[in-house]
Amino acid sequence: EAGVAQSPRYKIIEKRQSVAFWCNPISGHATLYWYQQILGQGPKLLIQFQNNGVVDDSQLPKDRFSAERLKGVDSTLKIQPAKLEDSAVYLCASTFSGSGRNTGELFFGEGSRLTVL
Amino acid sequence: AQSVAQPEDQVNVAEGNPLTVKCTYSVSGNPYLFWYVQYPNRGLQFLLKYITGDNLVKGSYGFEAEFNKSQTSFHLKKPSALVSDSALYFCAVRDRSSGSARQLTFGSGTQLTVLP
Repeated sequence: EAGVAQSPRYKIIEKRQSVAFWCNPISGHATLYWYQQILGQGPKLLIQFQNNGVVDDSQLPKDRFSAERLKGVDSTLKIQPAKLEDSAVYLCASTFSGSGRNTGELFFGEGSRLTVL
Repeated sequence: AQSVAQPEDQVNVAEGNPLTVKCTYSVSGNPYLFWYVQYPNRGLQFLLKYITGDNLVKGSYGFEAEFNKSQTSFHLKKPSALVSDSALYFCAVRDRSSGSARQLTFGSGTQLTVLP
């Protein structure tokens, strides 16, 4: 079974530029999450999708961050314009949401490391 | 609201000795508890979870964790540490009553270093 795929693995941009990250979850996983992990901290949830709908985006800085999952499969996270404090690893995770098979754990991708100069 | 505390940023242990990485949690209802490990430049890998039942949970690579409801703790343990266990460990919690939200809240992480 293929894992959660993310790209690019690394990205360096200057402040005020834009960047986009892509995630393809494990096949059949209806729930997809984007987490931000700043160096020395634990992952912080940015947004959660159930199929193509948003379940929770309360911690997403909507003035600069946007995310979509148009067909309920892969997802894109965009930052525009980037700030220095956006330097972090952006982790995508997925889980199967059906009753009886959802045992709660999330499956993470390798992450996309963003450096904003 | 749900939260996790990992009181130790760094834990050092000699190879072959037992290790413990501490975690305490706070939820309004009953918890689901998880441990993840992160190696450099990698994503988080699931180690083990507590859902219900036996308070001692066994997971991958010889790790285990003990759920203690009265102390709201879920400490990670291993009887004999290996150098290859050196990594960053995260505890996470989800409130069972969170319904479709199913969000994990993570602690700040504990860097485990096993010395040869």
